[in-house]
Amino acid sequence: GAGVSQSPSNKVTEKGKDVELRCDPISGHTALYWYRQSLGQGLEFLIYFQGNSAPDKSGLPSDRFSAERTGGSVSTLTIQRTQQEDSAVYLCASSNSGSSYEQYFGPGTRLTVT
Amino acid sequence: GQNIDQPTEMTATEGAIVQINCTYQTSGFNGLFWYQQHAGEAPTFLSYNVLDGLEEKGRFSSFLSRSKGYSYLLLKELQMKDSASYLCAVTLNTGTASKLTFGTGTRLQVTL
Repeated sequence: GAGVSQSPSNKVTEKGKDVELRCDPISGHTALYWYRQSLGQGLEFLIYFQGNSAPDKSGLPSDRFSAERTGGSVSTLTIQRTQQEDSAVYLCASSNSGSSYEQYFGPGTRLTVT
Repeated sequence: GQNIDQPTEMTATEGAIVQINCTYQTSGFNGLFWYQQHAGEAPTFLSYNVLDGLEEKGRFSSFLSRSKGYSYLLLKELQMKDSASYLCAVTLNTGTASKLTFGTGTRLQVTL
């Protein structure tokens, strides 16, 4: 079956522009996560969606970052007024519900802010 | 806060055994995952430990000591394709129990 897919794979944008990153999770997975991986840094949790519950936004670095998940499936991460420090690989993962379930990661979107 | 430590880089020879250590200091520890990440690719799941002891899966084994805040990943009969980053990640029993908190990863280079 299909894994987690993300688009675009690469995005170059100018400082100050808004960007939208898309994630298609594995069908049937109720949990969806966004992480960020900066050069030389570990993966950093951003936001978590579980079913119809309110998302856990505790990892979002600023109010320029937002995300939504429509119909319990596809998710979009939006970064407004991008800054150079936003340059990173943005990874989406999905899983079954519960802390013991492995998360399946997508290939990521490499964002470069110039 | 949470602190997860791994060596930055390791080198080992094809056919050998290598142990990658991970120590953690967290509040409300739940379980520990190991992921493998080849350069430019997504992380893939290797193992999950929630109880003390050793979990063996083919050439890979993972160990956990909750009292010591310590885990290791053991790779046997190393192959060139094992050259990758190995990520240690913990889940906590506070807040969202399933979100992963990662260390910075250990880059393993397997040489001939």
